[in-house]
Amino acid sequence: KQEVTQIPAALSVPEGENLVLNCSFTDSAIYNLQWFRQDPGKGLTSLLLIQSSQREQTSGRLNASLDKSSGRSTLYIAASQPGDSATYLCPYTGGFKTIFGAGTRLFVKA
Amino acid sequence: EAGVAQSPRYKIIEKRQSVAFWCNPISGHATLYWYQQILGQGPKLLIQFQNNGVVDDSQLPKDRFSAERLKGVDSTLKIQPAKLEDSAVYLCASSFYWRGGGNNEQFFGPGTRLTVL
Repeated sequence: KQEVTQIPAALSVPEGENLVLNCSFTDSAIYNLQWFRQDPGKGLTSLLLIQSSQREQTSGRLNASLDKSSGRSTLYIAASQPGDSATYLCPYTGGFKTIFGAGTRLFVKA
Repeated sequence: EAGVAQSPRYKIIEKRQSVAFWCNPISGHATLYWYQQILGQGPKLLIQFQNNGVVDDSQLPKDRFSAERLKGVDSTLKIQPAKLEDSAVYLCASSFYWRGGGNNEQFFGPGTRLTVL
């Protein structure tokens, strides 16, 4: 059974810190990997998509990498800001299944 | 480009009543997903459509939940009768279909928050 584990479950940091969020899958047969953020009471916003042929993707202060052999993905956030406070999610997608973990709740203090 | 539209945004009902949610995907997106997100958890996929056909509904409680996408565009998710444990946010997402090995990039709507009293 495919499971998604996100570490840490919660994180509180002062503004300006560089952060690493981790995501791991029990089944490494990942097709593509999409990172989302979810603000309280809102839907999911797509941050980055790592296509099946890629190993990483960058957008502004965000960089995501995917290691299919180990079934792990990492989201790096540089110079964190209070506006980055949200829950971050990295669902497994493979074989037309989409499975979410509980996410990482991030709070960036001003 | 317009995003995924959902309505209503909020709904409060009594247990054993019925409720329906509506979703209109991004234009041209053949794949449509319905998710249930209980407070403090990640979304759980209930059903996935490819055009008007069901790709996966393995986690849909079929004794009380139903969904349709008759014309391959907008979709309706219904709960009848509702239970207290159905209180959750119901999210709709869509993606552009391709013949790859998995789902394409998904775009989510704002969700419908359901409270069952």
